[in-house]
Amino acid sequence: AQSVAQPEDQVNVAEGNPLTVKCTYSVSGNPYLFWYVQYPNRGLQFLLKYITGDNLVKGSYGFEAEFNKSQTSFHLKKPSALVSDSALYFCAVGPNDYKLSFGAGTTVTVRA
Amino acid sequence: SQTIHQWPATLVQPVGSPLSLECTVEGTSNPNLYWYRQAAGRGLQLLFYSVGIGQISSEVPQNLSASRPQDRQFILSSKKLLLSDSGFYLCAWGTSGYNEQFFGPGTRLTVL
Repeated sequence: AQSVAQPEDQVNVAEGNPLTVKCTYSVSGNPYLFWYVQYPNRGLQFLLKYITGDNLVKGSYGFEAEFNKSQTSFHLKKPSALVSDSALYFCAVGPNDYKLSFGAGTTVTVRA
Repeated sequence: SQTIHQWPATLVQPVGSPLSLECTVEGTSNPNLYWYRQAAGRGLQLLFYSVGIGQISSEVPQNLSASRPQDRQFILSSKKLLLSDSGFYLCAWGTSGYNEQFFGPGTRLTVL
């Protein structure tokens, strides 16, 4: 079985400060890891993925994530947050019979 | 490039009425197709997925059904809606292998 945990329901940061959204995973075998962002009343948008290779993955909108196998983590980061980064963020892990397992989501609020 | 469409965008239906939500994908062949429900703007619940025409896997026993009459068309249906069917329904497509998924804009269903 595979699973993902996002330990924080909400993250609040000031604009210009670093942003980190945490994700830990559990999977047998090599994980495929993904981050998605969702704005209100919209579908999920793909941000980035880790399949293999460099542990630091760069994605859309200035986001990056670091894969840490020993800590089974895949935290999403942005060096300088913007108000427009306020949204709901989902971590996901695969593969499992064509399916992804999604975390419960973390709401990010960036205050001006 | 690939695009995914869902309609309608919003729907208000009385309890006991039928439901048909449609999802189509352009720009790819033989995609894996998924229906999710998102309640209260939080976690995603996988309802159905399909790896080919006429092949439907159900994840959660419930009042809904799914069909895939064409390669890039996925339909979510119900014969009689319940209040608990209200939610935000998301269609997604993916490719075999890494299970990366791309989401449509969603349908907001309110059952009264």
